[in-house]
Amino acid sequence: GESVGLHLPTLSVQEGDNSIINCAYSNSASDYFIWYKQESGKGPQFIIDIRSNMDKRQGQRVTVLLNKTVKHLSLQIAATQPGDSAVYFCAERGRQAGTALIFGKGTTLSVSS
Amino acid sequence: DAGITQSPRHKVTETGTPVTLRCHQTENHRYMYWYRQDPGHGLRLIHYSYGVKDTDKGEVSDGYSVSRSKTEDFLLTLESATSSQTSVYFCAISESGGGHTEAFFGQGTRLTVV
Repeated sequence: GESVGLHLPTLSVQEGDNSIINCAYSNSASDYFIWYKQESGKGPQFIIDIRSNMDKRQGQRVTVLLNKTVKHLSLQIAATQPGDSAVYFCAERGRQAGTALIFGKGTTLSVSS
Repeated sequence: DAGITQSPRHKVTETGTPVTLRCHQTENHRYMYWYRQDPGHGLRLIHYSYGVKDTDKGEVSDGYSVSRSKTEDFLLTLESATSSQTSVYFCAISESGGGHTEAFFGQGTRLTVV
């Protein structure tokens, strides 16, 4: 069946370090991927997305990499800050109308000063 | 934040009682979704809607029903609440149901069934 998973449930980094959060997906038909950030007590917030015809996309301090050969997605956060502490989810979606986002289980990022 | 309001934000109910959660949007988006979030499971899709009166089941639809009589409102009903339905429920909206369109989430409803 379709599933999106994350390699590590938790990641602890020091302020200023670069963080890499990984995600593996199993549905080769998925053509759109999103990273969400969820802070305690809040709903998931969109960070960055990438289409399957791309390998890399950059935002402000964040980069998403997509490797379709091994069905792997990663989120890189540069110069991690305490405010980046949250749970990060990857999500995938197929191109057919009506397909909902399928989420992985999440990685908790803890940033210490 | 996208114009999504969930109500109530918190609710405690007894086993066996019906419960209705409301999601209201002001974005005029066609697609609306209900997810539940539980430790160790991430977000799982319960039901979704692709238009007024058009709904479909998700991965964990048993024990839940939905209705969408207006574009802006999507209701989730627990027909007879059970303790296993204690969870945080999130509503999401999307302009398009497929393709390259993100979904925006509400703030969530924490439901406790005792």
